[in-house]
Amino acid sequence: ETGVTQSPTHLIKTRGQQVTLRCSSQSGHNTVSWYQQALGQGPQFIFQYYREEENGRGNFPPRFSGLQFPNYSSELNVNALELDDSALYLCASSSGGERGHTDTQYFGPGTRLTVL
Amino acid sequence: SQKIEQNSEALNIQEGKTATLTCNYTNYSPAYLQWYRQDPGRGPVFLLLIRENEKEKRKERLKVTFDTTLKQSLFHITASQPADSATYLCALDGDNYGQNFVFGPGTRLSVLP
Repeated sequence: ETGVTQSPTHLIKTRGQQVTLRCSSQSGHNTVSWYQQALGQGPQFIFQYYREEENGRGNFPPRFSGLQFPNYSSELNVNALELDDSALYLCASSSGGERGHTDTQYFGPGTRLTVL
Repeated sequence: SQKIEQNSEALNIQEGKTATLTCNYTNYSPAYLQWYRQDPGRGPVFLLLIRENEKEKRKERLKVTFDTTLKQSLFHITASQPADSATYLCALDGDNYGQNFVFGPGTRLSVLP
């Protein structure tokens, strides 16, 4: 076990709704990254937070947003859900060095989101 | 943009044999490359990291090689066991000062008893 927890484990929403996913990072880690993993594919980077600030973003629209709290836990918010947002959402924590550079990430179990 | 390919979607081998998985990349020169294991419905688990100046890295029954000329990494599991059955992902550090990782699509390995 990595010590990274995510909630909820499963979620079903309908198109147009909004969702918030939560992640608690491993003790001592100051960096959280979020990934979207569609069935049969590798994880795709959404964004990273380092010391409460966004520290890099992948090719995802602005309706994907996030937050990191002082205890380094994090939220991923998705507005105006679309059918293609159905996926496993993974968060990964790490100890970021300069500018949040990381080399090893520890993943949580993921949240399975289904959009109907 | 970076592109990562893994040799095949699925690989079946007999227990006791060596499994060899391939990761090829283009349009990038990563500072390091990683391999992860992912079981169904679970998050990836870090296995090994190899840096650009390293040719080979070992950990127990696992061995990773990194050829920056060929832009390829090979991942070997020796004396494979049914418990090694999983999807294996390679990932390279992104082009944003390592602030993200680019993952390959994964290879699903099945070790048959």
